[in-house]
Amino acid sequence: QLQLQESGAGLVKPSETLSLTCTVSGGSISSTNYHWGWIRQPPGKGLEWIGTVFSSGVTSYNPSLETRVTISLDRSKDQFSLKLDSVTAADTAVYYCTRRLENTSFRDSWGQGTLVTVSS
Amino acid sequence: QSALTQPASVSGSPGQSLTISCTGTNNDVGNFNYVSWYQQHPGKVPKLMIYDVSIRPSGISNRFSGSKSGNTASLTISGLQAEDEADYYCNSYTSSRTWIFGGGTKLTVL
Repeated sequence: QLQLQESGAGLVKPSETLSLTCTVSGGSISSTNYHWGWIRQPPGKGLEWIGTVFSSGVTSYNPSLETRVTISLDRSKDQFSLKLDSVTAADTAVYYCTRRLENTSFRDSWGQGTLVTVSS
Repeated sequence: QSALTQPASVSGSPGQSLTISCTGTNNDVGNFNYVSWYQQHPGKVPKLMIYDVSIRPSGISNRFSGSKSGNTASLTISGLQAEDEADYYCNSYTSSRTWIFGGGTKLTVL
């Protein structure tokens, strides 16, 4: 059974970089049939797609975040990561890592989510 | 990209059927069959209920069904139960090779 687990700093200062890692267990991040991504949810608000990294390493990002976000793979550790630069209070959210089957909208695996608070 | 449009709230009595709509554009819902629906209970991880417009993942009750007409996708829940009370989100692929969510719908079981 595939499991995803987010890790990283829970408190980030304004203007700094948010960094999260998603560790994949029970499966391989090198599988060519899956895409790996991040979704966030501000407290009391809806879901927002952040971006995806394909098994090839190619990325796709939310246009509203594109200038600040980087998602990358580390195949040697079965991990993928999220970096979000120049954060503000508006970036405070629960961040989820996910897996989606390619050529479908089958996003079946989610991490438990991690709350990141941006505050000085 | 603007969020897909969902009603903020819907409600129904146990046993009833109800439908949640999700309206997009020709650049997302109307042009792709990559529409999915998620159920989220308070403090919990979103759960995939429907993918590719109308396919139920293994283990999802057949009381949940999905459809699409033009730029609007719909999630129908039949035989409403108390446990169905949750937030529901639609999600669609877009022509920009990105994904977009609806604003979410709060379902209340009366």
